[in-house]
Amino acid sequence: DTEVTQTPKHLVMGMTNKKSLKCEQHMGHRAMYWYKQKAKKPPELMFVYSYEKLSINESVPSRFSPECPNSSLLNLHLHALQPEDSALYLCASSQDPPDRGLDEQYFGPGTRLTVT
Amino acid sequence: RKEVEQDPGPFNVPEGATVAFNCTYSNSASQSFFWYRQDCRKEPKLLMSVYSSGNEDGRFTAQLNRASQYISLLIRDSKLSDSATYLCVVIHNAGKSTFGDGTTLTVKP
Repeated sequence: DTEVTQTPKHLVMGMTNKKSLKCEQHMGHRAMYWYKQKAKKPPELMFVYSYEKLSINESVPSRFSPECPNSSLLNLHLHALQPEDSALYLCASSQDPPDRGLDEQYFGPGTRLTVT
Repeated sequence: RKEVEQDPGPFNVPEGATVAFNCTYSNSASQSFFWYRQDCRKEPKLLMSVYSSGNEDGRFTAQLNRASQYISLLIRDSKLSDSATYLCVVIHNAGKSTFGDGTTLTVKP
């Protein structure tokens, strides 16, 4: 089973709202990732968690705040977003942290976010 | 120069054709390499990991050339269902994963 689940599937929020994206995996994977994908562009790495600790932050604005409550869950808290933040937000997980063996990443279906 | 560059698309081929994609990377410290496919409005799905010795999975063959810093994907006997965007992914030793821009393949009857 290589399933990563994400909720919600779609989200529309205003620029003053606070919302959260959720990601879950039950494969025992030790690394989890957030990506942002704009239309007709490849996914862009935002954050990497290894063993529940933030290991990579790709200079993401502070209006995006990741959280890893436990080894199976990954959240992305959103606050004061801009319309240009509208995109598909993808979560992924891998058995090992990146570049340490079994680092194939399995993606969830994504949350399609629209900021109005 | 982009960290990861892919052949520009689109590739339009007839069923049964053989098609090859290349992807070059600039960071010589890169350690892990993958090919993903992504269908319209869907998430990327892992197609193959790419090993130094090359690897094959049915109609798909992936190769890595570290000296020239490129990876390739060969699809034999193309099927209509192979139509998708193919993305190469490179992970360098700091753990950062970088996607290529993707190559769109359309297989026509």
